[in-house]
Amino acid sequence: GAVVSQHPSRVICKSGTSVKIECRSLDFQATTMFWYRQFPKKSLMLMATSNEGSKATYEQGVEKDKFLINHASLTLSTLTVTSAHPEDSSFYICSARAVSGRGEQYFGPGTRLTVT
Amino acid sequence: DAKTTQPPSMDCAEGRAANLPCNHSTISGNEYVYWYRQIHSQGPQYIIHGLKNNETNEMASLIITEDRKSSTLILPHATLRDTAVYYCIVRPIYNQGGKLIFGQGTELSVKP
Repeated sequence: GAVVSQHPSRVICKSGTSVKIECRSLDFQATTMFWYRQFPKKSLMLMATSNEGSKATYEQGVEKDKFLINHASLTLSTLTVTSAHPEDSSFYICSARAVSGRGEQYFGPGTRLTVT
Repeated sequence: DAKTTQPPSMDCAEGRAANLPCNHSTISGNEYVYWYRQIHSQGPQYIIHGLKNNETNEMASLIITEDRKSSTLILPHATLRDTAVYYCIVRPIYNQGGKLIFGQGTELSVKP
């Protein structure tokens, strides 16, 4: 099956610093990638949708200047959490939709961010 | 908002069939029913999807009612490794703007 990777899997950063999370589709091309966040014991919440070569579309209530998304190629999207604060600590999960086929969507393993 | 309703939790004995229900009474004609599961601290895993016919693959079976207002995911012989949160999602498959919106899902506990 199609594989989506995320790097890093875990990151701890200090309050006020920025953190970049990478999402790669390893064996397929993805025109669209999605970023979710998940708090403990809660469901996944869609943050934004990014299309290769264009600006991301953010869901209501998600600050685009805080969560910078870049989708520079058909296999790579990055999420940068700027000026991170403890309340940004969460599990961030990316997902990629294949160009080919019927638009199947595959998920990465997630990145655990802890802001101290 | 999620367009599906699922029970928050279920238990199943190891080796028995797990039947997970989902209500999607407002589903429209061009929307498919998808099932994903999420094992603790991992990304969601695709299980199966269908439109109106019953579907089966190596992981599970999907039974969709004739009126398409509900469906049941069946894990025929549940194992301890099937313990996870199971999400039922509806979305149009050919709409490139379609998003997977997750509801609360059903937490399935498979017990020895």
